[in-house]
Amino acid sequence: AQTVTQSQPEMSVQEAETVTLSCTYDTSESDYYLFWYKQPPSRQMILVIRQEAYKQQNATENRFSVNFQKAAKSFSLKISDSQLGDAAMYFCAYKGGKAAGNKLTFGGGTRVLVKP
Amino acid sequence: DADVTQTPRNRITKTGKRIMLECSQTKGHDRMYWYRQDPGLGLRLIYYSFDVKDINKGEISDGYSVSRQAQAKFSLSLESAIPNQTALYFCATSEMGTGGTGELFFGEGSRLTVL
Repeated sequence: AQTVTQSQPEMSVQEAETVTLSCTYDTSESDYYLFWYKQPPSRQMILVIRQEAYKQQNATENRFSVNFQKAAKSFSLKISDSQLGDAAMYFCAYKGGKAAGNKLTFGGGTRVLVKP
Repeated sequence: DADVTQTPRNRITKTGKRIMLECSQTKGHDRMYWYRQDPGLGLRLIYYSFDVKDINKGEISDGYSVSRQAQAKFSLSLESAIPNQTALYFCATSEMGTGGTGELFFGEGSRLTVL
């Protein structure tokens, strides 16, 4: 079974600074998707960014970017110019193909604190 | 209105009671899921359904059952609630087919407390 590991339970960042969240995953598949979801205090789950494994180029969405290292099975999220609204839980998720039942597997989450 | 709606949003119940969490969606997606969120454990899959006639167990299905009443409705039941089922429960949907990325669209969550 696929596993997703987020080794940082909590990260703190100064407003306007940059923070990087780590995520590693275990899989034997070659074709899959990776996601980062944000959960603010409202508890709504919001998609931040997605990465297709077949794409070598790292995905970017405004101040959010990823560093996808397929061989290392690593998928880190970088938040640049951090804002107070970035304070939330962040979850890394893996979606495999048919062998994985097309299901999403989530990591344990990283809480991001933003200091003004 | 939200595309994926969960009811109730919050519920407190007692051990041994039967509880149903309901989910309805207007996204037209075939696939629906129930996840449970616990601190430090992230979201874990309870059950999922790829169409009305297809129900599958996830990694933590013991103590739960589901019903897919229609394409748009997927309910989760706790037949006899116990305290360790206290958690935040999410319903989610996704598109079917190879064209979809598998992105999940979530409801707003149902917080269940079992005393």
